[in-house]
Amino acid sequence: KAGVTQTPRYLIKTRGQQVTLSCSPISGHRSVSWYQQTPGQGLQFLFEYFSETQRNKGNFPGRFSGRQFSNSRSEMNVSTLELGDSALYLCASSGSGSTTVDEQFFGPGTRLTVL
Amino acid sequence: AQSVTQPDIHITVSEGASLELRCNYSYGATPYLFWYVQSPGQGLQLLLKYFSGDTLVQGIKGFEAEFKRSQSSFNLRKPSVHWSDAAEYFCAVGVRAAGNKLTFGGGTRVLVKP
Repeated sequence: KAGVTQTPRYLIKTRGQQVTLSCSPISGHRSVSWYQQTPGQGLQFLFEYFSETQRNKGNFPGRFSGRQFSNSRSEMNVSTLELGDSALYLCASSGSGSTTVDEQFFGPGTRLTVL
Repeated sequence: AQSVTQPDIHITVSEGASLELRCNYSYGATPYLFWYVQSPGQGLQLLLKYFSGDTLVQGIKGFEAEFKRSQSSFNLRKPSVHWSDAAEYFCAVGVRAAGNKLTFGGGTRVLVKP
């Protein structure tokens, strides 16, 4: 079974631009979560989508948004980029069909650099 | 809200020596506990998890962890490290009411000396 894939792997943007990152979960998984990883703040939860609905949300500004498609693929969007948005963005999928905690499988991440 | 603390930012061990990484969590009920490993430029790989039952959990790559409710700890151990174990290790906690949201500790970077 193929693992979680994320595209692109690397991105360079300038302040004020917007960016869209993509995540394809493991086949059959319906839950997709996004995390931001920075040296200063560590790993922080952004949001989780399940069956095209946002199920959980972290403490990030509204510039960070996401969506999930009917095939469970997910995208996250960051508008009006700031220097502090430079980070590794990780996507994780799980087969959880309920609200209980489940094992999550992580993708390799997208490294976003904002200049 | 739950929180996770990994007291050691860096640990250096000699190849063949034992390794123990500390993790303390704060949460009122029984948490779901995980250890992940991250190699440079890579995503996170799950080493092991604790949901319930036996408090000594075996994972991949020869790792094990022990859940101690009285100490709110979930320490990771390996009897004999290999050079390939050099990486960053993250402890994480999930809670039933928050679905798949994980709260991570700050991580411990492990260096292995030959």
